[in-house]
Amino acid sequence: AQTVTQSQPEMSVQEAETVTLSCTYDTSESDYYLFWYKQPPSRQMILVIRQEAYKQQNATENRFSVNFQKAAKSFSLKISDSQLGDAAMYFCAYRSALGGGADGLTFGKGTHLIIQP
Amino acid sequence: DSGVTQTPKHLITATGQRVTLRCSPRSGDLSVYWYQQSLDQGLQFLIQYYNGEERAKGNILERFSAQQFPDLHSELNLSSLELGDSALYFCASSARDSYTEAFFGQGTRLTVV
Repeated sequence: AQTVTQSQPEMSVQEAETVTLSCTYDTSESDYYLFWYKQPPSRQMILVIRQEAYKQQNATENRFSVNFQKAAKSFSLKISDSQLGDAAMYFCAYRSALGGGADGLTFGKGTHLIIQP
Repeated sequence: DSGVTQTPKHLITATGQRVTLRCSPRSGDLSVYWYQQSLDQGLQFLIQYYNGEERAKGNILERFSAQQFPDLHSELNLSSLELGDSALYFCASSARDSYTEAFFGQGTRLTVV
């Protein structure tokens, strides 16, 4: 079974600064998908960014980018120019590409991101 | 707004009771997933349905069951409720067997007293 580990229960960053959230995962599969989801106080789960394991290029979405290290099984999220609205729980998630898509997401425990004004 | 609708938003019930949570997926999405989020267990995948058929099972208790109807909405049935079943229950949907992303509803907060 796959596992996802987020070793930082809480992170704090000054507004406008850059912060990196860590995520490692364990799998024996070679083809899979990785995601970062954001959960603000409204509790809505919002997809931030996704990465296909077969792609070497790191995904980028505006101020959000990832550092995907497949050999190290590491998938960190970098948030540039942090904004107050970025304050939320961030979850790293894994999904197998096997089984015709029949599988759910495996989530990490989450990192609580605090933005200091 | 993700396009996924869950009702009710909040539910308070007593131990031993049975409740039904409802989910309407995004228009056109055939896959529905159910997740449980609790303080001690985190976010856990419960079950997936695709076009009316069960496709995958996660950590779903035998007291829990789900189904997806011809109109593609889904219901999660929780029975013989225990205090430990108190959690946030999410439904998510995705197009076909899409690997790319699942869109989450706002969740149903279940409190068992």
